[in-house]
Amino acid sequence: DGGITQSPKYLFRKEGQNVTLSCEQNLNHDAMYWYRQDPGQGLRLIYYSQIVNDFQKGDIAEGYSVSREKKESFPLTVTSAQKNPTAFYLCASSNRLADEQFFGPGTRLTVL
Amino acid sequence: GENVEQHPSTLSVQEGDSAVIKCTYSDSASNYFPWYKQELGKRPQLIIDIRSNVGEKKDQRIAVTLNKTAKHFSLHITETQPEDSAVYFCAASKGGAGGSYIPTFGRGTSLIVHP
Repeated sequence: DGGITQSPKYLFRKEGQNVTLSCEQNLNHDAMYWYRQDPGQGLRLIYYSQIVNDFQKGDIAEGYSVSREKKESFPLTVTSAQKNPTAFYLCASSNRLADEQFFGPGTRLTVL
Repeated sequence: GENVEQHPSTLSVQEGDSAVIKCTYSDSASNYFPWYKQELGKRPQLIIDIRSNVGEKKDQRIAVTLNKTAKHFSLHITETQPEDSAVYFCAASKGGAGGSYIPTFGRGTSLIVHP
C-alpha cells in the first residue's frame, strides 16, 4: 500500500507528555517529510530530510523534533513545548526533493 | 520562497458537470506541478502532474494545464462522479540542476459532487 507506513493510527496523549510518531518506508527513497494537517490549513511542513543523519526545519518546526538514523525511518517527536498538538500528522517520502511524494496513512494525535 | 495560492476552497457541482481548480505560484523557477487527491480520512495520492516543458497533460477525465507566463496551473475534471468528491491539493517545486527545493502546497479545495 505505497510502501510507507505510520504508527499508530490514533494516539492519545496527556498534556505535558512527549510522544513519538513512527514513519517507515521501504521504497528506498532518500527524502522524507513530516506534515501537519488541520482543517482548512492544507499541508504544513514540520521537518524534512534529504539524507541520513541530516534534516531541516520546515515552516512549523517549533515544539517538534526528528531524527534520521536510518534511510527507512524518520520518527517525529511531539514535545510538551508544542502548544496545540492535536492534529492529523502525515509522513511522506520521495526519491528526491522535487519528485512525487508518497504519503503514509497518517496518525491522528489527540491531546487530552 | 515559493508561495502557492489555490482557489476555490470549496467547489460544489452536480454529477456530470465539469470542475476546475486553479493555482498560482510565485517563483518562476518552479518546474514541477503535481496534484494530489485526498479522500476523507485517507492519505493524499498523486493523480496527475505536469512539468514546465509542456502546457497540458490529460489522463482520462482529468487534465492539467500550465501557463508559465502567468504562473498559474489548473486541474480540470470532466464528467464528474460522486467518487471524485475529495480534497485536492496543488503543489509547486523546482527540480534538476542547480538544486531542488521541496514542494510548496496550496491550501486545498474541497470538491463535492452531488448525485
